[in-house]
Amino acid sequence: DTGVSQDPRHKITKRGQNVTFRCDPISEHNRLYWYRQTLGQGPEFLTYFQNEAQLEKSRLLSDRFSAERPKGSFSTLEIQRTEQGDSAMYLCASSYTGTSNQPQHFGDGTRLSIL
Amino acid sequence: GNSVTQMEGPVTLSEEAFLTINCTYTATGYPSLFWYVQYPGEGLQLLLKATKADDKGSNKGFEATYRKETTSFHLEKGSVQVSDSAVYFCALSSTGNQFYFGTGTSLTVIP
Repeated sequence: DTGVSQDPRHKITKRGQNVTFRCDPISEHNRLYWYRQTLGQGPEFLTYFQNEAQLEKSRLLSDRFSAERPKGSFSTLEIQRTEQGDSAMYLCASSYTGTSNQPQHFGDGTRLSIL
Repeated sequence: GNSVTQMEGPVTLSEEAFLTINCTYTATGYPSLFWYVQYPGEGLQLLLKATKADDKGSNKGFEATYRKETTSFHLEKGSVQVSDSAVYFCALSSTGNQFYFGTGTSLTVIP
């Protein structure tokens, strides 16, 4: 079990540029979640996948954001035309659906800074 | 709707002091409750969980009891160490699809 892996750890970009983050979940986990965390706040849900299907999206996920999980394994989160307000830590988590609510296992996050 | 309210920090304690971090929740149905810990520069790590009323989750000397009557899940530890300094998040999940997190409570333990 290598844990949830996120890449890159840090991303600095200019306003208006596109960015893409990658998340590799724990291999046997079929659910994958994306969260955004700003300073002094808890994680806010963005979206989640079960296998390759994107089952739920938050209202926080504007049309500039898109997430994919094409083969039900790794996932990417793309932000187009970045804005200052997109600066945050983007966290990925994975879990396995079982008979009760399973805990989510988090990666170390990608910190995005918009100049 | 679902929400979690945590006591505001930051909390500063001396080593070996008793710790309580309050957490109350609002939820539809019968949620599972969790405490996560986040060390600087890292992601969240599961600390403990409880899936039904009166369950007690425990790990690394930390404990929390699921109290349905008071809709609470307070985190406690009898004797904190410097290494416990971190941010603690209370969270709930009603369906397993989405987790709702509190705003976090920062704990600093001084020697």
